[in-house]
Amino acid sequence: EPEVTQTPSHQVTQMGQEVILRCVPISNHLYFYWYRQILGQKVEFLVSFYNNEISEKSEIFDDQFSVERPDGSNFTLKIRSTKLEDSAMYFCASTADKLVAKNIQYFGAGTRLSVL
Amino acid sequence: GENVEQHPSTLSVQEGDSAVIKCTYSDSASNYFPWYKQELGKRPQLIIDIRSNVGEKKDQRIAVTLNKTAKHFSLHITETQPEDSAVYFCAWRPGNQFYFGTGTSLTVIP
Repeated sequence: EPEVTQTPSHQVTQMGQEVILRCVPISNHLYFYWYRQILGQKVEFLVSFYNNEISEKSEIFDDQFSVERPDGSNFTLKIRSTKLEDSAMYFCASTADKLVAKNIQYFGAGTRLSVL
Repeated sequence: GENVEQHPSTLSVQEGDSAVIKCTYSDSASNYFPWYKQELGKRPQLIIDIRSNVGEKKDQRIAVTLNKTAKHFSLHITETQPEDSAVYFCAWRPGNQFYFGTGTSLTVIP
C-alpha cells in the first residue's frame, strides 16, 4: 500500500534556527497538508496546498512558516526561526484529486521537532 | 474559527462492553466526517468515515452515526478489545481543511 513518508523522524534544533521538514506524498495525490500536534493535544491544521500554491492556512501558519513543492515528489515545511513553542509532532498528509477520494487523508508517520 | 467539540475526553470500559464517542460541529456545509485512531507515538489512522447523505455506516465492530439536524456524529465500538485502547479523533471538513476534535483517550480494561 502506498504511504506518505516523512523525514527526519526526529529533528532537534536550537531556538532561532531554521528547520525544514520533508514529506513525500503518495505519488498520484494532488492535495497536500501539514498538521501539528503538541504532545498530548489534538491535531491542528496548519496549511493545505494544491496546484503549487497555498489553498488554505490557519492562524498558526504565520510568517515564520512556509511550504514548498520544490520538485515533483517532495513537499516541505520550513520554519524560519524556531521558538520553544514550535516543539511538536508535525504530520504531513495527502489526498487524491477525485471528488470523492480526495476526502480521504493519508498521514505520514510524523516528524518530532524538539526546539531547545 | 470553526470548531468541533468531542466528548468524553477520557473513557474507560471493560473488555467486551461498548464505547461511544460523540462530536458536535458548527458548520452545516461540511459533508464528510471521518474518525481517526491514534496509538501512542504513531500517526492518526482513518478507521471509518461517513458522508452527509448517509445516516449510519458500519464496519464490523465499528459504526458511525450522523445527525445533520443536530450537527453531531458519533463513533460506536462494540465488543471492545484491549487493542482498541488508543486516542480517537473525530474530524470534519468545511472547505479544504480538516478540523480535528480534542480527542478521546479510550482504555479497554481486560
